[in-house]
Amino acid sequence: NAGVTQTPKFQVLKTGQSMTLQCAQDMNHEYMSWYRQDPGMGLRLIHYSVGAGITDQGEVPNGYNVSRSTTEDFPLRLLSAAPSQTSVYFCASSYLRGRGGTEAFFGQGTRLTVV
Amino acid sequence: DQQVKQNSPSLSVQEGRISILNCDYTNSMFDYFLWYKKYPAEGPTFLISISSIKDKNEDGRFTVFLNKSAKHLSLHIVPSQPGDSAVYFCAASPWGGATNKLIFGTGTLLAVQP
Repeated sequence: NAGVTQTPKFQVLKTGQSMTLQCAQDMNHEYMSWYRQDPGMGLRLIHYSVGAGITDQGEVPNGYNVSRSTTEDFPLRLLSAAPSQTSVYFCASSYLRGRGGTEAFFGQGTRLTVV
Repeated sequence: DQQVKQNSPSLSVQEGRISILNCDYTNSMFDYFLWYKKYPAEGPTFLISISSIKDKNEDGRFTVFLNKSAKHLSLHIVPSQPGDSAVYFCAASPWGGATNKLIFGTGTLLAVQP
């Protein structure tokens, strides 16, 4: 059981380049999310999805696009990379279990450097 | 405006002793709280959670306490082990347990000395 898989693990981009961070989960979870982690700031929500075809913005969505065409995949697109997008990106998936809640499962992260 | 705060960036504890990590929140709508553990170059891994209808939840060496009136929760690790050395994040959800929109604290680096 792979859980949440992110590719690539490392990436260096030049300012203005575009790229897609891939995220796939094999747990049939309805919910998927993207976070970024910066030093001293914890994890901040970029975009999230509650099911195929449904996405919404989180706390820091500017400069990023997402789509959710299948339950399994939730790619994050950087349209024109900027140095401020240098960060570690985490994808997560989860499901809603009544009022009890459930944990979010995280991928291993993508370390992105924009020069 | 930081809605979830972990005011101690780091904590050092001797092996076998108790580790207490603290977390404060400001939003009274939060009703589900989680603790995650993170090793370098890995993703966060779930440790323990608590619903706002409870004030304590235990799982082995880990216990989370919730004080709703003070908007404060804490994670106790007893006994602490060197393998517990990691960054610990507190997270909150205001959505009836849905964890697709978690709000994280800034983390506490725990060092357990042998």
